[in-house]
Amino acid sequence: KNQVEQSPQSLIILEGKNCTLQCNYTVSPFSNLRWYKQDTGRGPVSLTIMTFSENTKSNGRYTATLDADTKQSSLHITASQLSDSASYICVVSASLEEKLTFGTGTRLTIIP
Amino acid sequence: ETGVTQSPTHLIKTRGQQVTLRCSSQSGHNTVSWYQQALGQGPQFIFQYYREEENGRGNFPPRFSGLQFPNYSSELNVNALELDDSALYLCASSFGMVAFFGQGTRLTVV
Repeated sequence: KNQVEQSPQSLIILEGKNCTLQCNYTVSPFSNLRWYKQDTGRGPVSLTIMTFSENTKSNGRYTATLDADTKQSSLHITASQLSDSASYICVVSASLEEKLTFGTGTRLTIIP
Repeated sequence: ETGVTQSPTHLIKTRGQQVTLRCSSQSGHNTVSWYQQALGQGPQFIFQYYREEENGRGNFPPRFSGLQFPNYSSELNVNALELDDSALYLCASSFGMVAFFGQGTRLTVV
């Protein structure tokens, strides 16, 4: 069964600090891995998308890494801002069918 | 803005009723997927449509049905609503690898 697990479930950090969110997956055959940011009650917004051959991708203060051998990914947020408070969801796509498997997300809270 | 619009944004229905949720896809996107997201959970795949044909279905009962129209807009219909159907319903349109999500419809069944 395809699964995506994320850790931690929730995280609280001070504004300006860095943090790293983790994602482990068992999805086969692997096509790509995405990180989404989801504000409460809103649809997810794409941050990064990585295929098998990519091991790092950045989008501003967000940097995602992918280790396809160990089936792990991380999302690193640098110099956090209050607006970074949201759920961050790791999503893995099997083959090219666009049927996405979602993790349950990490709830990140940035405090001043 | 993702270019994907869902309506309505909020909806309250009573148990046993039927509901139709709508999604307007981003221009040129021929694939639309629907997801159910319970509070505090990740989205669960309901089904996907590609060029007006169902192209995969998750573990949802037949009372969840859908349509995709020639302009690639889409509907999600749910019959005989149950209390557990209360959730945020998301649609995502895609062309290739990138999926764009709408803002969701918050359905509350009472």
